[in-house]
Amino acid sequence: KAGVTQTPRYLIKTRGQQVTLSCSPISGHRSVSWYQQTPGQGLQFLFEYFSETQRNKGNFPGRFSGRQFSNSRSEMNVSTLELGDSALYLCASSVLTSETYEQYFGPGTRLTVT
Amino acid sequence: AQSVAQPEDQVNVAEGNPLTVKCTYSVSGNPYLFWYVQYPNRGLQFLLKYITGDNLVKGSYGFEAEFNKSQTSFHLKKPSALVSDSALYFCAVRESGAGSYQLTFGKGTKLSVIP
Repeated sequence: KAGVTQTPRYLIKTRGQQVTLSCSPISGHRSVSWYQQTPGQGLQFLFEYFSETQRNKGNFPGRFSGRQFSNSRSEMNVSTLELGDSALYLCASSVLTSETYEQYFGPGTRLTVT
Repeated sequence: AQSVAQPEDQVNVAEGNPLTVKCTYSVSGNPYLFWYVQYPNRGLQFLLKYITGDNLVKGSYGFEAEFNKSQTSFHLKKPSALVSDSALYFCAVRESGAGSYQLTFGKGTKLSVIP
């Protein structure tokens, strides 16, 4: 079974621009979560989508948004980029059954804002 | 609100010696607990999880963790450390029965295995 894929792997943008990141979950996983990882703040939850609906959102400004498509693929968008948005953005794919709970992460997208 | 504490920013251990990376958690209900490892410039790699059942959980690459409900701990252990185990380790928790799949992570512990 293929793992979680994220594209692109690396991005360099300038302040004020916007960016879109993509995540394809593991086949059969309907939930996708996004996290931001920075050296200072660690891993912070951005938002979670399940069956195309945003189910939970972290404490981030409205510049951060996302969506999920009917095939469970998800995108996140950051508008009006700031230097502080430089981070590793991680996508996680999850499934919960009566027997188990699984959450697997993709390799991440490294965003650098200059 | 749920939280995770990893009290050590860094753990150093000699190759071949046993290693322990500590984790304590706080949740309102029953926890789902996880350990992930991260190598430089990579995503998080799943090591092991505790959902229910035996308190001793065995995972990938010879790692194991013991769930201790009374001490609210979930320490990661390995009997004999390898240099290749050097990486950043994260403990995470999710409250069972929660409507969201959101995980709350600790700050991470950098493990250095010295040859």
